[in-house]
Amino acid sequence: GQNIDQPTEMTATEGAIVQINCTYQTSGFNGLFWYQQHAGEAPTFLSYNVLDGLEEKGRFSSFLSRSKGYSYLLLKELQMKDSASYLCAVRDGGVGYSTLTFGKGTMLLVSP
Amino acid sequence: EAGVTQFPSHSVIEKGQTVTLRCDPISGHDNLYWYRRVMGKEIKFLLHFVKESKQDESGMPNNRFLAERTGGTYSTLKVQPAELEDSGVYFCASSSGQGFSPLHFGNGTRLTVT
Repeated sequence: GQNIDQPTEMTATEGAIVQINCTYQTSGFNGLFWYQQHAGEAPTFLSYNVLDGLEEKGRFSSFLSRSKGYSYLLLKELQMKDSASYLCAVRDGGVGYSTLTFGKGTMLLVSP
Repeated sequence: EAGVTQFPSHSVIEKGQTVTLRCDPISGHDNLYWYRRVMGKEIKFLLHFVKESKQDESGMPNNRFLAERTGGTYSTLKVQPAELEDSGVYFCASSSGQGFSPLHFGNGTRLTVT
């Protein structure tokens, strides 16, 4: 079966660093995605990992360990606008076919 | 470049009625996906089109749901007759299918069946 776990909620302070963890057990693996979703809006693509290691993109970094079925999203220099739901998703299809299995999402609240 | 657009943004219908949701993908994207999020649950895959062909419809819950993509451009998802458990947010997404090809999502249609 497919199972993706991530914390339901997290809180942090403006300017701080927060790490959102995701563990997965899926029948196939062809990449892990992180999406950000503000209430009432579309999920927007943040990052993608297919090989082990850290991918950095500005204030956002994502890490993957395939042997452990584990990923995290690291957000630095938090801003109020980073308050949103963060979705971890695993692609279990072939390259080019992005059928994703999603976790329930982590609601991040950034306070002043 | 226009993003993925969905219509309507909200729909409230009674049990037993029919509703049709529409999705316009990003121009040139051959891959089109429908996903659904029921309250309190994760976003779940419904089906995948490559151009006008159904590549994978394993996530469709039952035969009350019918998806089409005539001409390989926009897609519609019809629910007939609607049941209470069909309430949720229906997302459409598209991708080019090139390289690692992330999904680009629309804002979703919030369907409420009363």
